[in-house]
Amino acid sequence: NAGVMQNPRHLVRRRGQEARLRCSPVKGHSHVYWYRQLPEEGLKFMVYLQKENIIDESGMPKERFSAEFPKEGPSILRIQQVVRGDSAAYFCASSPEWGNNSPLHFGNGTRLTVT
Amino acid sequence: AQRVTQPEKLLSVFKGAPVELKCNYSYSGSPELFWYVQYSRQRLQLLLRHISRESIKGFTADLNKGETSFHLKKPFAQEEDSAMYYCALSTVYNQGGKLIFGQGTELSVKP
Repeated sequence: NAGVMQNPRHLVRRRGQEARLRCSPVKGHSHVYWYRQLPEEGLKFMVYLQKENIIDESGMPKERFSAEFPKEGPSILRIQQVVRGDSAAYFCASSPEWGNNSPLHFGNGTRLTVT
Repeated sequence: AQRVTQPEKLLSVFKGAPVELKCNYSYSGSPELFWYVQYSRQRLQLLLRHISRESIKGFTADLNKGETSFHLKKPFAQEEDSAMYYCALSTVYNQGGKLIFGQGTELSVKP
């Protein structure tokens, strides 16, 4: 079991371009979470998805950011028209079920740099 | 506001010394608290959670609701304990995935 796989590990985009970050959860996990870590800060919750459904997107910026977790394939975090402030590490985590008895399994993160 | 504070960015101790990584939280409800650890070149992983009342790798953490703290302690630090430690709070009942993280404390254990 390879664990949560995120790609790419590093992504460089110019201002105004789109960034697509992919996350394949642990096999059999149907709950996916995205977190963002700005420099010198802790991880901040962005969105919680189950297969084909967004459960909680209270941490997502209202504009330019979107996330999906289709029935088949990885979860995608999409950032349109990136700005320098989007530069951060984006972490994906998965769990097998809902509840505190299911610890999160984190990926290695994608480091986005906007130039 | 719900918040987790780890006042120390860096904590440096010698091998064999006691360690205490501080964590304070702000939440008016009944909190669920966790410690996550990230060793060098590894993923963030769960170390322990207060509901389990467990000791992992010699670490313990007690929830003190009066002081709103969840400090992580180990009586004798080892070099392999060097890592980033994050305290995290869950405020959604029985939902351990939506967490509020502290800024993290880097623990450095010197030989």
